[in-house]
Amino acid sequence: QLQLQESGPGLVKPSETLSLTCSVSGGSIYNYYWSWIRQPPGKGLESIGYIYYTGATNYNPSLKSRVTISIDTSKSQFSLKLSSVTAADTAIYYCARGRALFNYWGQGTLVTVS
Amino acid sequence: ELVLTQSPGTLSLSPGERATLSCRASQSISSSYLAWYQQKTGQAPRLLIYATSTRATGIPDRFSGSGSGTDFTLTISRLEPEDFAVYYCQHYDNSPMYTFGQGTKLEIK
Repeated sequence: QLQLQESGPGLVKPSETLSLTCSVSGGSIYNYYWSWIRQPPGKGLESIGYIYYTGATNYNPSLKSRVTISIDTSKSQFSLKLSSVTAADTAIYYCARGRALFNYWGQGTLVTVS
Repeated sequence: ELVLTQSPGTLSLSPGERATLSCRASQSISSSYLAWYQQKTGQAPRLLIYATSTRATGIPDRFSGSGSGTDFTLTISRLEPEDFAVYYCQHYDNSPMYTFGQGTKLEIK
């Protein structure tokens, strides 16, 4: 059974860079798209962006200037960096398999900007 | 920019009742690209339905989806206690990004 696990700091200071990693186990990272999605506390879901196993990326235009998603196929991991964070970036961050339709999700990790 | 509006915001029903959740798109969309997710408190969303009416693997047949154009519906035929959650509709297609609705909370009456 495919499993995804987010990891990274739960607290980030304003203006700094948020960094998260998603570890994929129980299945191959190859031949799939991998995404990051976030959810501010008590609010709805927002796309951040995705990466193909080849390294091709696409980002939400509203975050594009601050987002970098990368992948390390040798480690079966992909990562998110979000720069210049503010309190508005406080959210649960999910990693998921897929470009736009998601049937496998990580459990999510809360990142607070303060 | 496509906007998905879900209604009602909150739906209060009892176990055994039928639930009907609505998702309205700001412009006509292909029924091939409309999905529904269920999110329980403290959990990640779970894919229920894609392509408007196709149930994802392992989803009980009490969940069904329908609709076309701008109006889509998720129906839960007979509510079980574990069905009380927040439900999101989502539009996805071949364009780079996708859109979620704001969610409908299904609560126990």
